[in-house]
Amino acid sequence: GAVVSQHPSRVICKSGTSVKIECRSLDFQATTMFWYRQFPKKSLMLMATSNEGSKATYEQGVEKDKFLINHASLTLSTLTVTSAHPEDSSFYICSARSTDRLPNEQYFGPGTRLTVT
Amino acid sequence: AQSVTQLDSQVPVFEEAPVELRCNYSSSVSVYLFWYVQYPNQGLQLLLKYLSGSTLVKGINGFEAEFNKSQTSFHLRKPSVHISDTAEYFCAVSDRLTGGGNKLTFGTGTQLKVEL
Repeated sequence: GAVVSQHPSRVICKSGTSVKIECRSLDFQATTMFWYRQFPKKSLMLMATSNEGSKATYEQGVEKDKFLINHASLTLSTLTVTSAHPEDSSFYICSARSTDRLPNEQYFGPGTRLTVT
Repeated sequence: AQSVTQLDSQVPVFEEAPVELRCNYSSSVSVYLFWYVQYPNQGLQLLLKYLSGSTLVKGINGFEAEFNKSQTSFHLRKPSVHISDTAEYFCAVSDRLTGGGNKLTFGTGTQLKVEL
């Protein structure tokens, strides 16, 4: 149980285009979802926290107009990288938290590798 | 605010040998502590966590960790490693005040490489 999926697993896009990444909780309702970014050989950096039905809370230094987060339902959150540039290339990982499950645990998705050419 | 330090970026070890991956944290409030494992191009999998109670926590795949409040440490150990344990290991904390399931602060990770 507590499975989180991400789609796509890999995406290559051209500079200037937008790309959407989906994060789904498959067998539980995710009241809160988190989006992380991981650079090669580096730790995970929290980008934003989203609660279902409300606006995401972005971490300092993360451009909210560039990284659009939507958490429209209890099982789906999306991250849209707008006007992507090569420096946006990274591994993006989402996680989900639920009050039905252990509230002090986050369940992680498998990640999405974004390459901007 | 919290911070997590994993001093060892890489730890090479021979198969069947014991291993310890070090984690120290800093926080002005009480925390929950976690260890995650990440295999190449995959997300994170929870190995174990310390919430309260016994300071020795046992997790999956034969791993265990001990919470030491005085030394603000949460080192991960395994008595005998296997080739399949080769992966990146992340220590993380979250503060108890916000319920623990919120913001995770990660260390920079330790690459465990098990050799034959």
